[in-house]
Amino acid sequence: EIVLTQSPDFQSVTPKEKVTITCRASQNIGNGLHWYQQKPDQSPKPLIKFASQSFSGVPSRFSGSGSGTDFTLTINSLEAEDAATYYCHQSSRGASFGPGTKVDIK
Amino acid sequence: QVQLQQWGAGLLKPSETLSLTCGVSGGSFSYFYWSWVRQPPGKGLEWIGEINHEGTNYNESLKSRVTISMDTSRNQFSLKLSSVTAADTAVYYCAREDYAFDIWGQGTMVTVSS
Repeated sequence: EIVLTQSPDFQSVTPKEKVTITCRASQNIGNGLHWYQQKPDQSPKPLIKFASQSFSGVPSRFSGSGSGTDFTLTINSLEAEDAATYYCHQSSRGASFGPGTKVDIK
Repeated sequence: QVQLQQWGAGLLKPSETLSLTCGVSGGSFSYFYWSWVRQPPGKGLEWIGEINHEGTNYNESLKSRVTISMDTSRNQFSLKLSSVTAADTAVYYCAREDYAFDIWGQGTMVTVSS
């Protein structure tokens, strides 16, 4: 089983600040890593696939990078509407999710 | 565009079988994997399993209790989870899987309580 860890668990950020969330895999997963945003009482929304490819309609301030075991989701110039929990997910072997990173607006 | 609509019983007693169905509209059903994901209250996401025309794959931790099936004539796929306990209380989501989960259902809250 591939285990994903995320850091930080929680981040409180002021608008326009840059946010960086990391996801680490317990094994090499190539680029089989995807990112989601989930707001309270909503279904997860896909943001990034294959580590760095943005889904259609996702604001350009969201970007992803990494390969192998270490991945990063970056939110440039955070907006109030970005307050949410962010999850990584690997599809390399079966599927598993990271524990999530909650981003709060100061 | 493709939409997923899910339904099923929301309140179960311990030892009963959870049963949910997800209907797919607006797009191809045969080409993709179709998955179930759950989220206990206040917790993270857990992948349950997936199905396509070639077969199924399940989370090892739930494998003994899970069955996912599909009805291609109705563009639907279903989840059964047997012998539920309070630990199975969660929001259950269906999702289309094209490596990433790119389309999600609205979620169904399932509560297990005596």
